[in-house]
Amino acid sequence: EAGVTQFPSHSVIEKGQTVTLRCDPISGHDNLYWYRRVMGKEIKFLLHFVKESKQDESGMPNNRFLAERTGGTYSTLKVQPAELEDSGVYFCASSQGGSTNEKLFFGSGTQLSVL
Amino acid sequence: GNSVTQMEGPVTLSEEAFLTINCTYTATGYPSLFWYVQYPGEGLQLLLKATKADDKGSNKGFEATYRKETTSFHLEKGSVQVSDSAVYFCALRVYGNKLVFGAGTILRVKS
Repeated sequence: EAGVTQFPSHSVIEKGQTVTLRCDPISGHDNLYWYRRVMGKEIKFLLHFVKESKQDESGMPNNRFLAERTGGTYSTLKVQPAELEDSGVYFCASSQGGSTNEKLFFGSGTQLSVL
Repeated sequence: GNSVTQMEGPVTLSEEAFLTINCTYTATGYPSLFWYVQYPGEGLQLLLKATKADDKGSNKGFEATYRKETTSFHLEKGSVQVSDSAVYFCALRVYGNKLVFGAGTILRVKS
């Protein structure tokens, strides 16, 4: 069974450009989460999808970030325009259910560098 | 609010040394506690967990005990190997699958 897949694995862009990150969850997982780790600090929650709906987007830093999950399968996270402080590792995770006992599976992350 | 504090790294040990990585937390309610590990080039993997006070989570020789009185969940291993070199994250979950992580601790094990 394929795990959570993220691409690209690395992205280097200039300030002001646009970048789109993609996450393919494990097939059949309704719940999809985005997290990010900035500058070696804590990994912070960004948002949570249940199928195609945003269940919780309380961690989204500002309106330069747009997450979508059309059709309830893969998800994209677009940063437009990118700023220097957006550099970090963006992780995606999925789970079948959203309850406390559900196991969460993480992807290997996208390393974003904004120059 | 909810937060996790873990010891800063990097932690550098020789093979077969004893490992402790400290983790303390602040939480509303009764959190579940986790240790995740990220090996080079890979995603985060659940290492162990504990869901209530005094529970001990264990896996691959690693252990951590949920201490409510000290709000701690320290990670220990009696004899580390080079293959244990990774970044270790302590985390808590109060509800659903929304996790609050610490900043991570780099472990380097030398042969």
